[in-house]
Amino acid sequence: QSALTQPPSASGSPGQSVTISCTGTSSDIGGYNYVSWYQQHPGKAPKLMIYDVNKRPSGVPDRFSGSKSGNTASLTVSGLQAEDEGDYYCTSYAGSNNFAVFGGGTKLTVL
Amino acid sequence: EVQLVQSGAEVKKSGESLRISCKGSGYSFTNYWITWVRQMPGKGLEWMGRIYPGDSETNYSPSFQGHVTFSVDKSLSTAYLQWSSLKASDTAMYFCAKRSAISRYTLDVWGQGTTVTVSS
Repeated sequence: QSALTQPPSASGSPGQSVTISCTGTSSDIGGYNYVSWYQQHPGKAPKLMIYDVNKRPSGVPDRFSGSKSGNTASLTVSGLQAEDEGDYYCTSYAGSNNFAVFGGGTKLTVL
Repeated sequence: EVQLVQSGAEVKKSGESLRISCKGSGYSFTNYWITWVRQMPGKGLEWMGRIYPGDSETNYSPSFQGHVTFSVDKSLSTAYLQWSSLKASDTAMYFCAKRSAISRYTLDVWGQGTTVTVSS
């Protein structure tokens, strides 16, 4: 099962918005509304930011939002803050055989 | 507080066996799938598979099937990831994570990770 495709890097200035894409296939992203996004800081465990395409867990700022169109999911971070820097990974349910697949990760830099 | 606490870093040689652990607390351990995720040095996250502590049902990624084994000890609320014969390519950070209570395919709480270093 191939990983989902994410851009290796993204950046923005404080206060700006940035969108990270995650492209899969009809067997994963396109077939199910089970896309999640995780933030990871160096040496730390991933943290859930978005689940089921566009839902935010309690405690995650509403600056973070998710969406999906066809086989591509997106994470948008509005009003960028310094603490938003880190690696972001998408993941999707991929059916009962392969079950789940991650994207390759995007390093977000706040300029 | 819901927590997953993993065992400490390991340094092993190729061919040796290893078992690392992930202890859950603050929730009903047997009711939520535990997923294992690998992160090789400088690389992204990889879904290895999962185990249901209630009955030890497992799902393995095809990429890891046959090379690792998941198990649980319900009495200790602990899940395990084990290798019978390590390879240098198993050098990585390994995370456990629990399934969310509100979304079937979401991992809402993660362990801190266990670093495994295998020398050849």
